[in-house]
Amino acid sequence: AQKITQTQPGMFVQEKEAVTLDCTYDTSDQSYGLFWYKQPSSGEMIFLIYQGSYDEQNATEGRYSLNFQKARKSANLVISASQLGDSAMYFCAMREGGGNQGGKLIFGQGTELSVKP
Amino acid sequence: GAGVSQSPSNKVTEKGKDVELRCDPISGHTALYWYRQSLGQGLEFLIYFQGNSAPDKSGLPSDRFSAERTGGSVSTLTIQRTQQEDSAVYLCASSLGRVAGLNTGELFFGEGSRLTVL
Repeated sequence: AQKITQTQPGMFVQEKEAVTLDCTYDTSDQSYGLFWYKQPSSGEMIFLIYQGSYDEQNATEGRYSLNFQKARKSANLVISASQLGDSAMYFCAMREGGGNQGGKLIFGQGTELSVKP
Repeated sequence: GAGVSQSPSNKVTEKGKDVELRCDPISGHTALYWYRQSLGQGLEFLIYFQGNSAPDKSGLPSDRFSAERTGGSVSTLTIQRTQQEDSAVYLCASSLGRVAGLNTGELFFGEGSRLTVL
């Protein structure tokens, strides 16, 4: 069964606009973590933001925020004020189990974001 | 080094040959991961090492794939009798392992080893 689902293979957004990238997940664990990574065309993987399953507030990091809806098992990434440099692949990932010893991360298939000038 | 180091960065081999890919994690990181990324695709989990625990090998696609981690540091991913479908970028990542306080257990990735099987 797919653990992480990103339903948008590609997205376009106008520069300076906000965009939401969808991510839903499936787990029976109570303790888990959700991550978003950015992969530009250069191929490097850049960590953006993290949300723990017990965190009551949505995570924010600069222009990035994570819209965490636990009951719906969704962890959407919101990018505000898009910039041309935001054009990249974006991956949602989940770490389940492992407790405080960490655990393996499973990635979604990604969403390719293109920012239009 | 300051980051995760992978070698070789590019490897071209002939079908049926064995290849070894090396990963040198960030010093002090107890967890090490291998992923495979085919062109335009997501990251496919292969194997995960955490400290001295038995590795999680649940993602290895066949018995041609194996990995070891020596001394809790450097890891080698070995692919025997390579096939054309093995062509991909192999990404290694490491993390502190423990999730506590401000440590999210985020993964730090290397730049990958691009494998091409002719």
